Amino acid sequence: DIRMTQSPSSLSASVGDRVTITCRASQSIFSYLNWYQQNPGKAPKLLIYAASSLQSGVPSRFSGGGSGTDFTLTISSLQPEDFATYYCQQTYSTPRTFGQGTKVEIK
Amino acid sequence: QVQLQQWGAGLLKPSETLSLTCAVYGESFSGYYWSWIRQPPGKGLEWIGEINHYGTTNYNPSLKSRVTISVDTSKNQFSLKLSSVTAADTAVYYCARDLRFLDPKYYYYYYYMDVWGKGTTVTVSS
Repeated sequence: DIRMTQSPSSLSASVGDRVTITCRASQSIFSYLNWYQQNPGKAPKLLIYAASSLQSGVPSRFSGGGSGTDFTLTISSLQPEDFATYYCQQTYSTPRTFGQGTKVEIK
Repeated sequence: QVQLQQWGAGLLKPSETLSLTCAVYGESFSGYYWSWIRQPPGKGLEWIGEINHYGTTNYNPSLKSRVTISVDTSKNQFSLKLSSVTAADTAVYYCARDLRFLDPKYYYYYYYMDVWGKGTTVTVSS
């Protein structure tokens, strides 16, 4: 299985901050990488697919980058509704594994 | 707009079989893959497996011996069965639509889950 490791596991930030979350794959996954946002008690929501493509309806303050083994999710100006947990997922091979999650909390 | 509605038994005893169904509304069932994902309490997401309208499946090897995903195209539904459950199978189970498109550079498919059910909490306890 391809192991996905996110860093940090949690972070504290303020509204308006620029936030970057990193996801590293245990082998090259080219650009087969998605990002999801999950609020407590809710299903995950797709933010980014194919490493850098913004899902329809997702605010442009979210952006994704990277290829190969190293990827980033950036929120350019954190908004109150962005405090949530974020997961990366590789779809290069099955099983389609997720990172352990990064919880973004209010400072 | 496509919606997924899922249901199934929420409380099981060890060794029983978990059974969940997900119905697809507002969209053709054909042409997509349909997935199951689970999340143990306080933990991350685990991909269980997927199926397409032809019945072609892919399973997580860690669960493969106990998992069956099936499809009923006449009802626009797909189902998950997980046998011989233990407390470790306690989780919220989600169904999702798995979109795919061909990467023209590598002739390889991108997959991403764009629509999710609300989740079903399944507890395994004696």
